[in-house]
Amino acid sequence: TQLLEQSPQFLSIQEGENLTVYCNSSSVFSSLQWYRQEPGEGPVLLVTVVTGGEVKKLKRLTFQFGDARKDSSLHITAAQPGDTGLYLCAVPNYGGATNKLIFGTGTLLAVQP
Amino acid sequence: DTGVSQDPRHKITKRGQNVTFRCDPISEHNRLYWYRQTLGQGPEFLTYFQNEAQLEKSRLLSDRFSAERPKGSFSTLEIQRTEQGDSAMYLCASSLQGWERNTIYFGEGSWLTVV
Repeated sequence: TQLLEQSPQFLSIQEGENLTVYCNSSSVFSSLQWYRQEPGEGPVLLVTVVTGGEVKKLKRLTFQFGDARKDSSLHITAAQPGDTGLYLCAVPNYGGATNKLIFGTGTLLAVQP
Repeated sequence: DTGVSQDPRHKITKRGQNVTFRCDPISEHNRLYWYRQTLGQGPEFLTYFQNEAQLEKSRLLSDRFSAERPKGSFSTLEIQRTEQGDSAMYLCASSLQGWERNTIYFGEGSWLTVV
């Protein structure tokens, strides 16, 4: 089983629509990150959330860390074709041993013009 | 450009051949990571270095895989006797020590196709 399950796995929407992507786990994390990966590129960090219940906004993107620090959501308002990509949540130091990221299963978003 | 660079970007090889990928991290970063990613999935951790020391290897890194970072700068990832299941994108990333306060930067990846 995956440590971080993302849903939906794939999402195709029209430009201007809103959407929410979820990242769920049964484990508690000290922090969680969201990345976006465009085709042919490496992942790029969007945000880090560290406090339960924390909400961060990045232009049209709103990120929330669950109160229990087990889950997170990413909401995009008025999606644009430039938002197309693979959205990944990731957690550091799971198990406390090493400084590495463990990624979620990913949500592939396609925004049609 | 001073980002993480990887070479080659694409490699097609026959099953059974050896391949080597190179990663040049951001110059002041002392941590370097290798990940493997298949299409539409999240990256999976393979190994990481702090300076020239390889501090952790995933169980995904079979005996056919070896990574080195001889002088604590660039790194190479070699796959011996490639199999079709090795087809994936191999991502390199780097960060400063104590990366919790510093961002991990990923390269653009090296695509491997084993035919």
